[in-house]
Amino acid sequence: KAGVTQTPRYLIKTRGQQVTLSCSPISGHRSVSWYQQTPGQGLQFLFEYFSETQRNKGNFPGRFSGRQFSNSRSEMNVSTLELGDSALYLCASSFDGGSTSEKLFFGSGTQLSVL
Amino acid sequence: AQSVTQLDSQVPVFEEAPVELRCNYSSSVSVYLFWYVQYPNQGLQLLLKYLSGSTLVKGINGFEAEFNKSQTSFHLRKPSVHISDTAEYFCAVSGISGSARQLTFGSGTQLTVLP
Repeated sequence: KAGVTQTPRYLIKTRGQQVTLSCSPISGHRSVSWYQQTPGQGLQFLFEYFSETQRNKGNFPGRFSGRQFSNSRSEMNVSTLELGDSALYLCASSFDGGSTSEKLFFGSGTQLSVL
Repeated sequence: AQSVTQLDSQVPVFEEAPVELRCNYSSSVSVYLFWYVQYPNQGLQLLLKYLSGSTLVKGINGFEAEFNKSQTSFHLRKPSVHISDTAEYFCAVSGISGSARQLTFGSGTQLTVLP
């Protein structure tokens, strides 16, 4: 079974641009979550999608948005990029059997550098 | 709301020595507890989780953790480490109730195993 796939692996953008990151969950998984990882702030929850609906959202500005498609693939978009958006963006999927105890399966992440 | 404190940002240890990585949490609700490991340039992998029952939880790669409710701790231990255990380790919590697959992570502990 293929794992969680994130593309692209690396991205370099300049301030003010926008960027779209993609995540393909494990086959059969319906929940997709996004996390931002930085040396200063650590791992922070961005949002979670289930059945094409945003189910939960972290404390990030509206420049950060996402969506999920009917095949459970998800994208996240960051508009008007700032230097502080440089980070490793991790996607995680789970089957969602209805319990928050479920194991999350993480992708290798997209490393975004904003110049 | 929950928070997680990992007391040590860096833990160097010699190969075959025992190691303990400390984690304390704070929450106003009941939580599930997790330890994840991140190897260089990879996403996170679940080591173990505590849901209920026995306070001693065994995970993969010879790791175990003990849940201590009175001290709100969930320390990770391994009796004998290998070079391959060099990685960053994250303690995390999630609320038991609700549908949100949201993990709150600690800041991480870099374990470096020295030959």
